[in-house]
Amino acid sequence: AQTVTQSQPEMSVQEAETVTLSCTYDTSENNYYLFWYKQPPSRQMILVIRQEAYKQQNATENRFSVNFQKAAKSFSLKISDSQLGDTAMYFCAFMKHDGNTPLVFGKGTRLSVIA
Amino acid sequence: DAGVTQSPTHLIKTRGQQVTLRCSPKSGHDTVSWYQQALGQGPQFIFQYYEEEERQRGNFPDRFSGHQFPNYSSELNVNALLLGDSALYLCASSLSSLQFFGQGTRLTVV
Repeated sequence: AQTVTQSQPEMSVQEAETVTLSCTYDTSENNYYLFWYKQPPSRQMILVIRQEAYKQQNATENRFSVNFQKAAKSFSLKISDSQLGDTAMYFCAFMKHDGNTPLVFGKGTRLSVIA
Repeated sequence: DAGVTQSPTHLIKTRGQQVTLRCSPKSGHDTVSWYQQALGQGPQFIFQYYEEEERQRGNFPDRFSGHQFPNYSSELNVNALLLGDSALYLCASSLSSLQFFGQGTRLTVV
């Protein structure tokens, strides 16, 4: 079974600064997907970024980028130029590569961006 | 294009009652997954429907059941509600590896 661990229950960052959220996972699979989802107070889970394990290049989406270390089973999220609207719960999630399989989520990190 | 929609947004039920939650997937998506998110936790997978069949199931009792209709919409039913069933129930639709979520139904059991 796969597990996802987020060791930082809460973090805060000043507006315009950079913050990194940590995630580690455990799996015996060789091919899989990793995701970061954002859940603001509106409750809707919003996809931030996706990484395919067989791709060595780290995924980026505008101000969001990941540091994927497959051997270490580590998948951190870096948010640059933090904005007040980035305040939310952030969840790291794992999915096997055989498509349409369930997401396995970590417990989340609550991020507060301070003006 | 409407995204994933869930109804109702909030619900209060009494212990022992039954509840039905509804989900309409994103246009073109044929797979619906349901998750339970307890307060302060990450979502936990309940089950997934594809072609009107339950394709996969997480570690939830038989009190949790579901259905998918020919238009791909889905229902989640919970019988004999317990206080511990109080949670946010999330529906996600997908066509491949990307799952898109609705805004959830907040269920409170009293």
